[in-house]
Amino acid sequence: DTEVTQTPKHLVMGMTNKKSLKCEQHMGHRAMYWYKQKAKKPPELMFVYSYEKLSINESVPSRFSPECPNSSLLNLHLHALQPEDSALYLCASSQGENSPLHFGNGTRLTVT
Amino acid sequence: AQSVTQLGSHVSVSEGALVLLRCNYSSSVPPYLFWYVQYPNQGLQLLLKYTTGATLVKGINGFEAEFKKSETSFHLTKPSAHMSDAAEYFCAVSPWSSASKIIFGSGTRLSIRP
Repeated sequence: DTEVTQTPKHLVMGMTNKKSLKCEQHMGHRAMYWYKQKAKKPPELMFVYSYEKLSINESVPSRFSPECPNSSLLNLHLHALQPEDSALYLCASSQGENSPLHFGNGTRLTVT
Repeated sequence: AQSVTQLGSHVSVSEGALVLLRCNYSSSVPPYLFWYVQYPNQGLQLLLKYTTGATLVKGINGFEAEFKKSETSFHLTKPSAHMSDAAEYFCAVSPWSSASKIIFGSGTRLSIRP
């Protein structure tokens, strides 16, 4: 069982929808991450919250918007996505910036 | 700058045979090195990590890896493959100071033949 919980497990949305992905960890970790993983590819970093300070991968489109309500929760707000955004979205956390990542099982997103 | 190269996108071994997954890295600073495993429809799970100290690192599920600075390698091995080892394996490198700068290799799919 993973200690990083992601909901929902699957999500199908149209290009005009607004939806949110949620991630929660109770390990006391102070850094949380969003990754995007396409089939047969490694994960690609989208966003990092470290001690609730956001760092952005500048190649990520603005239709993805992260939110960190507190150190245990991480959301990813989705708006006006494109079919090419269909992927597995993984949340991860780490105790600090020099600690290994702990991943959730991901949300499988399909944009129609 | 850092990079990771995994040799072989697909490796197939017989059950009970030695597993060897190859990883070479490039790093301008002392690296942290990791192997992660991903089973179908799941996230990545840490198998083992090298930070400092002993160069032979033991991980979960009987896997181990050896850090060889002279060869810039961090190959993953397991003496005897089980059917349950079938998965995608990712080698990764990060500078010692920042997990957020972790770079993943392209992955190696391990298949196990009965």
